[in-house]
Amino acid sequence: DGGITQSPKYLFRKEGQNVTLSCEQNLNHDAMYWYRQDPGQGLRLIYYSQIVNDFQKGDIAEGYSVSREKKESFPLTVTSAQKNPTAFYLCASRHIGQNTGELFFGEGSRLTVL
Amino acid sequence: AQKITQTQPGMFVQEKEAVTLDCTYDTSDQSYGLFWYKQPSSGEMIFLIYQGSYDEQNATEGRYSLNFQKARKSANLVISASQLGDSAMYFCAMREDTGGFKTIFGAGTRLFVKA
Repeated sequence: DGGITQSPKYLFRKEGQNVTLSCEQNLNHDAMYWYRQDPGQGLRLIYYSQIVNDFQKGDIAEGYSVSREKKESFPLTVTSAQKNPTAFYLCASRHIGQNTGELFFGEGSRLTVL
Repeated sequence: AQKITQTQPGMFVQEKEAVTLDCTYDTSDQSYGLFWYKQPSSGEMIFLIYQGSYDEQNATEGRYSLNFQKARKSANLVISASQLGDSAMYFCAMREDTGGFKTIFGAGTRLFVKA
């Protein structure tokens, strides 16, 4: 089945550790996005990428890093520099050129820093 | 600067009645897209409806319609004949069609449907 797979679904991390969240899509979509969602709040854009080997900072990129070495994959690293990393992280993708171009989302990764 | 505003943190509606969820946006782009997504308590994001900035007709998808008022920069979602399963968070989103297709979301409105 086509879709977006995020892993792990739940992750616990000690303070000071980096952690990488995986996002893989088999939809052949060009653009991919990472969002952070805090309880009861909206989605805030961390990073996005239109094409391989290119990505742009979103509104809250500090303390995060990404790579886009393959079209299918857009991993997000939460670094120790991120002061408040506990959150729900959503990865999304879309096909550029499609009329509506809605985002397709993964099921999310819930990160808890102990 | 690109911005989405949803001013209703929570809304109640009686089952079978219609409800309007407000969304205003700000952008300097001429070409953009507006979206509504639903997020049930399970956390998944469900695409509901899309409106392009050049579309003259309001978008409709089943019980969902988007009241697009370009001059006022508003894109309100109307849900007709509310059902208990409509209880969820609803997010308005905007995609600018230049500069990398950045897509941002509003803070959301939690809708409660009463039996």
